[in-house]
This record gives sequence, C-alpha cells and structure tokens, in this order.
Amino acid sequence: EAQVTQNPRYLITVTGKKLTVTCSQNMNHEYMSWYRQDPGLGLRQIYYSMNVEVTDKGDVPEGYKVSRKEKRNFPLILESPSPNQTSLYFCASSLKGQGYTEAFFGQGTRLTVV
Amino acid sequence: AQSVSQHNHHVILSEAASLELGCNYSYGGTVNLFWYVQYPGQHLQLLLKYFSGDPLVKGIKGFEAEFIKSKFSFNLRKPSVQWSDTAEYFCAVSLTTDSWGKLQFGAGTQVVVTP
Repeated sequence: EAQVTQNPRYLITVTGKKLTVTCSQNMNHEYMSWYRQDPGLGLRQIYYSMNVEVTDKGDVPEGYKVSRKEKRNFPLILESPSPNQTSLYFCASSLKGQGYTEAFFGQGTRLTVV
Repeated sequence: AQSVSQHNHHVILSEAASLELGCNYSYGGTVNLFWYVQYPGQHLQLLLKYFSGDPLVKGIKGFEAEFIKSKFSFNLRKPSVQWSDTAEYFCAVSLTTDSWGKLQFGAGTQVVVTP
C-alpha cells in the first residue's frame, strides 16, 4: 500500500530537548516536504527536498533542520524546541513538485513543547 | 504578496444541504489549483485539481470546483452533503512558472454537517 509514514504520532517534550520526527515514503517519490498546521493559518511549508541531498527552505524554516540521505526518508529535526513550535506537523511526498501533481500526506505528528 | 484566501472559517449545515466554499488567490500568473480535504484525525487527501482545460472540474465523492480566471477564484461545491463530509477543506495554489511547484495553502474551512 502506498503510504507516507510519520513517527511519532504524538509527542510532548520540554523546551530545549532535541527531537527528530521521522518520515518515510514507499512510492519512490523524489519530492518531499514538511508542513506545520496551525489554527487559522492553514499549512505552511517548513522545508522541502527535490531529491537526495537536495533540500531548501520553505516559508517557516527557523528552528528546524532536515536531511535527505536516502530517497525514502526525510526526517525533521528540532535542535532546541521552543513552545512556539507546538503544532501539527505533516510530511508529504510527490512524484513531481507538489504544485504539479497530487501530494501524499502522512498521518501527522502532534507536537507539544512545554 | 501572493496569498490564498478562504472566505469562511467555519460552516455548519444540515445533511442534504448544498455546500459552496470560496477560494480566491492573488497570483499574477498562470496557476495550478487544488482542493484538499482533511477528515477528523486523518491526513490530507486530494479532492480535485485544475491545471488547464475545462474550468469545471469534478473530483471524488461528488465534489466539483469551478475556476473563474477573471475573478481569481476556485470555489468548491457539492449539491447535497452527507454527515461524512464533516472535515476541514483546504484550497491550495501553485504558480506554473515555479520549478519546484510550491503549494500555498489557504487557512482552511471547517465544515460540520449535522444529521
């Protein structure tokens, strides 16, 4: 089954404690991205990747890092989380750029930073 | 600045009522347009998309949308909603000149359908 898998689904952490949210897709897609979803703001892109070792900033990259060492995986790293990063995070993958084709989204990770 | 506006943040309606959700964008070029839906506790799924051709686009689950270029709009419609249509609906736009094809999402419209 074609899917995008994120882990964990729920995470509560403390300010400053490094964390990683994993994202994996089994569709051999080249394009992957991370979004955060906040009430009244919709989805905003954090980072995107067009291929292995090719990543770039989205609209809200501050406080986040990503890596793309393998085609299937695109982890999101919060080196020093802060309460304003409390949000719902989605990973997405697509065959082409996400403005040109259907994007497949993961189930989401609800992060709370206290 | 480029933006995507969804007119209603919350819509409550009864089963069998008709639904129309507004979406306007402020892009100065040719665009690709999408509607995604997020059912409670689930991930986003594509409802329909418009790239070119017939401006009336049909999607899954009986939804359709009409692209009106002169109004910079891409409104979503369904003639008769069901309780299972309760979800959040997102309009998204991308510029065709953007090599990455970055998606800009609207703020979303929460739709609640009452039995």
